[in-house]
Amino acid sequence: AAGVIQSPRHLIKEKRETATLKCYPIPRHDTVYWYQQGPGQDPQFLISFYEKMQSDKGSIPDRFSAQQFSDYHSELNMSSLELGDSALYFCASSLSRLYNEQFFGPGTRLTVL
Amino acid sequence: LAKTTQPISMDSYEGQEVNITCSHNNIATNDYITWYQQFPSQGPRFIIQGYKTKVTNEVASLFIPADRKSSTLSLPRVSLSDTAVYYCLVGDMDSSYKLIFGSGTRLLVRP
Repeated sequence: AAGVIQSPRHLIKEKRETATLKCYPIPRHDTVYWYQQGPGQDPQFLISFYEKMQSDKGSIPDRFSAQQFSDYHSELNMSSLELGDSALYFCASSLSRLYNEQFFGPGTRLTVL
Repeated sequence: LAKTTQPISMDSYEGQEVNITCSHNNIATNDYITWYQQFPSQGPRFIIQGYKTKVTNEVASLFIPADRKSSTLSLPRVSLSDTAVYYCLVGDMDSSYKLIFGSGTRLLVRP
Protein backbone atom coordinates (compact mmCIF):
# COMPACT_ATOMS: atom_id res chain seq x y z
CA ALA A 1 0.00 0.00 0.00
CA ALA A 2 1.12 3.53 -0.72
CA GLY A 3 2.64 5.37 2.19
CA VAL A 4 3.51 8.95 3.01
CA ILE A 5 6.53 10.10 1.06
CA GLN A 6 8.95 12.67 2.39
CA SER A 7 11.87 14.27 0.65
CA PRO A 8 14.66 14.65 1.10
CA ARG A 9 15.36 11.94 3.65
CA HIS A 10 18.50 13.67 4.86
CA LEU A 11 19.49 17.32 4.67
CA ILE A 12 22.54 19.14 5.91
CA LYS A 13 22.50 22.92 6.12
CA GLU A 14 24.58 25.69 7.60
CA LYS A 15 23.31 28.15 10.18
CA ARG A 16 21.19 30.95 8.72
CA GLU A 17 20.47 28.97 5.56
CA THR A 18 17.01 27.95 4.39
CA ALA A 19 15.51 24.52 3.88
CA THR A 20 12.39 23.15 2.24
CA LEU A 21 10.94 19.81 3.22
CA LYS A 22 8.34 18.10 1.08
CA CYS A 23 5.57 15.72 1.96
CA TYR A 24 3.36 13.66 -0.33
CA PRO A 25 0.38 12.23 1.55
CA ILE A 26 -1.26 8.90 0.95
CA PRO A 27 -3.58 9.20 -2.08
CA ARG A 28 -7.04 10.54 -1.16
CA HIS A 29 -5.83 11.77 2.23
CA ASP A 30 -6.84 15.39 2.58
CA THR A 31 -5.16 16.30 5.86
CA VAL A 32 -1.44 16.75 6.42
CA TYR A 33 0.42 17.26 9.66
CA TRP A 34 4.00 18.24 10.45
CA TYR A 35 5.88 17.14 13.58
CA GLN A 36 9.39 17.86 14.84
CA GLN A 37 11.34 15.40 16.96
CA GLY A 38 14.62 16.53 18.46
CA PRO A 39 17.26 14.05 19.62
CA GLY A 40 15.95 12.05 22.56
CA GLN A 41 12.70 14.00 22.60
CA ASP A 42 9.09 13.23 21.90
CA PRO A 43 7.41 14.38 18.67
CA GLN A 44 6.09 17.94 18.80
CA PHE A 45 3.20 19.08 16.62
CA LEU A 46 4.05 21.99 14.35
CA ILE A 47 1.16 22.63 11.99
CA SER A 48 -1.62 20.91 10.05
CA PHE A 49 -3.63 21.49 6.89
CA TYR A 50 -7.06 20.29 5.85
CA GLU A 51 -8.18 20.76 2.27
CA LYS A 52 -5.31 23.18 1.64
CA MET A 53 -6.22 25.43 4.56
CA GLN A 54 -4.28 25.67 7.79
CA SER A 55 -6.31 23.78 10.35
CA ASP A 56 -4.21 23.92 13.49
CA LYS A 57 -0.96 25.39 14.67
CA GLY A 58 1.40 24.23 17.35
CA SER A 59 4.86 25.24 18.43
CA ILE A 60 6.03 26.28 15.00
CA PRO A 61 8.63 29.07 15.02
CA ASP A 62 7.88 32.23 13.07
CA ARG A 63 10.90 31.38 10.89
CA PHE A 64 9.00 28.37 9.59
CA SER A 65 6.08 28.42 7.20
CA ALA A 66 4.13 25.71 5.48
CA GLN A 67 1.43 25.23 2.92
CA GLN A 68 -0.61 22.53 1.26
CA PHE A 69 -0.96 22.59 -2.49
CA SER A 70 -3.81 21.72 -4.85
CA ASP A 71 -2.47 18.17 -5.24
CA TYR A 72 -2.47 17.89 -1.42
CA HIS A 73 1.28 17.70 -1.07
CA SER A 74 2.75 19.97 1.55
CA GLU A 75 5.99 21.85 2.01
CA LEU A 76 7.62 23.07 5.19
CA ASN A 77 9.86 26.06 4.61
CA MET A 78 12.46 26.84 7.22
CA SER A 79 14.53 30.03 7.17
CA SER A 80 17.40 31.41 9.25
CA LEU A 81 18.20 27.92 10.41
CA GLU A 82 19.58 27.50 13.90
CA LEU A 83 21.54 24.66 15.47
CA GLY A 84 18.47 23.81 17.54
CA ASP A 85 16.47 23.10 14.40
CA SER A 86 18.44 19.89 13.93
CA ALA A 87 15.81 17.20 14.27
CA LEU A 88 13.71 14.60 12.54
CA TYR A 89 10.75 16.16 10.78
CA PHE A 90 7.79 13.89 10.25
CA CYS A 91 4.88 14.44 7.99
CA ALA A 92 1.67 12.52 8.56
CA SER A 93 -1.57 12.31 6.65
CA SER A 94 -5.09 11.22 7.40
CA LEU A 95 -8.41 10.80 5.65
CA SER A 96 -10.20 13.61 7.40
CA ARG A 97 -9.65 16.51 9.71
CA LEU A 98 -11.07 14.65 12.67
CA TYR A 99 -8.97 13.12 15.42
CA ASN A 100 -8.28 10.07 13.38
CA GLU A 101 -5.53 7.62 12.62
CA GLN A 102 -2.53 9.44 11.23
CA PHE A 103 -0.07 7.73 8.92
CA PHE A 104 3.48 8.94 9.36
CA GLY A 105 6.16 9.22 6.74
CA PRO A 106 9.76 8.08 7.22
CA GLY A 107 10.88 11.55 8.21
CA THR A 108 13.50 14.01 7.04
CA ARG A 109 16.59 14.23 9.18
CA LEU A 110 17.79 17.82 9.18
CA THR A 111 21.24 18.61 10.47
CA VAL A 112 22.23 22.24 10.93
CA LEU A 113 25.95 22.87 11.22
CA LEU B 1 -6.00 19.26 26.30
CA ALA B 2 -5.96 16.41 28.76
CA LYS B 3 -2.51 15.57 30.07
CA THR B 4 -1.41 11.98 30.08
CA THR B 5 0.95 10.20 32.43
CA GLN B 6 2.65 6.90 31.65
CA PRO B 7 5.49 4.90 33.17
CA ILE B 8 8.83 5.98 31.76
CA SER B 9 9.97 2.44 31.03
CA MET B 10 8.98 -1.19 31.30
CA ASP B 11 10.84 -4.46 30.90
CA SER B 12 9.37 -7.72 29.74
CA TYR B 13 10.33 -11.07 28.26
CA GLU B 14 9.37 -12.67 25.00
CA GLY B 15 6.02 -14.41 25.11
CA GLN B 16 4.69 -12.43 28.06
CA GLU B 17 1.67 -10.16 28.07
CA VAL B 18 2.50 -6.52 28.64
CA ASN B 19 0.08 -4.00 30.08
CA ILE B 20 0.91 -0.30 29.90
CA THR B 21 -1.36 1.97 31.88
CA CYS B 22 -1.92 5.62 31.07
CA SER B 23 -3.49 8.17 33.39
CA HIS B 24 -5.61 10.99 31.95
CA ASN B 25 -7.55 12.43 34.87
CA ASN B 26 -8.79 15.51 32.99
CA ILE B 27 -10.17 13.71 29.95
CA ALA B 28 -13.09 15.55 28.36
CA THR B 29 -16.37 14.14 27.10
CA ASN B 30 -15.37 14.38 23.43
CA ASP B 31 -11.87 12.99 23.92
CA TYR B 32 -10.76 9.70 22.44
CA ILE B 33 -7.77 7.70 23.64
CA THR B 34 -5.21 6.64 21.08
CA TRP B 35 -1.98 4.68 21.33
CA TYR B 36 0.98 4.96 18.98
CA GLN B 37 4.18 2.93 18.74
CA GLN B 38 7.50 4.37 17.66
CA PHE B 39 10.74 2.65 16.73
CA PRO B 40 14.00 4.64 16.73
CA SER B 41 14.28 7.05 13.81
CA GLN B 42 10.88 6.04 12.45
CA GLY B 43 7.56 7.81 12.46
CA PRO B 44 4.99 6.81 15.06
CA ARG B 45 2.56 4.08 14.06
CA PHE B 46 -1.08 3.92 15.10
CA ILE B 47 -1.89 0.94 17.31
CA ILE B 48 -5.41 1.35 18.62
CA GLN B 49 -8.06 3.91 19.53
CA GLY B 50 -11.05 3.80 21.83
CA TYR B 51 -13.64 5.81 23.72
CA LYS B 52 -14.85 3.50 26.46
CA THR B 53 -14.93 -0.15 27.58
CA LYS B 54 -12.74 -2.46 25.52
CA VAL B 55 -11.40 -2.33 22.02
CA THR B 56 -9.44 -5.14 20.39
CA ASN B 57 -7.67 -5.43 17.08
CA GLU B 58 -5.13 -7.81 15.61
CA VAL B 59 -2.29 -6.09 17.44
CA ALA B 60 -3.51 -5.07 20.88
CA SER B 61 -6.38 -4.50 23.26
CA LEU B 62 -7.35 -1.28 24.93
CA PHE B 63 -9.17 -1.30 28.24
CA ILE B 64 -10.95 1.85 29.39
CA PRO B 65 -12.80 1.91 32.72
CA ALA B 66 -16.14 3.63 33.10
CA ASP B 67 -14.69 6.86 34.50
CA ARG B 68 -12.25 7.02 31.56
CA LYS B 69 -9.56 8.56 33.78
CA SER B 70 -7.10 5.90 32.74
CA SER B 71 -6.59 3.34 30.02
CA THR B 72 -4.48 0.21 29.62
CA LEU B 73 -2.82 -0.96 26.45
CA SER B 74 -2.41 -4.71 26.45
CA LEU B 75 0.10 -6.39 24.14
CA PRO B 76 -0.33 -10.17 24.10
CA ARG B 77 2.74 -12.40 23.86
CA VAL B 78 5.32 -9.74 23.05
CA SER B 79 8.33 -10.44 20.88
CA LEU B 80 11.71 -8.74 20.60
CA SER B 81 10.33 -6.62 17.75
CA ASP B 82 7.84 -5.00 20.14
CA THR B 83 10.71 -3.13 21.78
CA ALA B 84 9.72 0.46 21.14
CA VAL B 85 8.30 3.61 22.71
CA TYR B 86 4.56 3.56 23.28
CA TYR B 87 2.60 6.81 23.46
CA CYS B 88 -0.81 7.34 24.97
CA LEU B 89 -2.64 10.34 23.53
CA VAL B 90 -5.95 11.97 24.23
CA GLY B 91 -7.73 14.18 21.75
CA ASP B 92 -11.07 15.68 20.81
CA MET B 93 -12.69 13.71 18.02
CA ASP B 94 -14.72 16.69 16.92
CA SER B 95 -12.12 19.43 16.73
CA SER B 96 -8.54 18.22 17.03
CA TYR B 97 -6.28 18.26 14.01
CA LYS B 98 -3.18 17.25 15.91
CA LEU B 99 -1.55 14.68 18.13
CA ILE B 100 -0.01 15.89 21.37
CA PHE B 101 2.70 13.49 22.43
CA GLY B 102 3.68 13.34 26.07
CA SER B 103 6.50 11.27 27.42
CA GLY B 104 5.95 7.74 26.23
CA THR B 105 6.81 4.39 27.76
CA ARG B 106 9.99 2.72 26.60
CA LEU B 107 9.27 -0.99 26.45
CA LEU B 108 12.23 -3.34 26.36
CA VAL B 109 11.51 -6.95 25.50
CA ARG B 110 14.26 -9.34 26.48
CA PRO B 111 14.89 -12.85 25.09
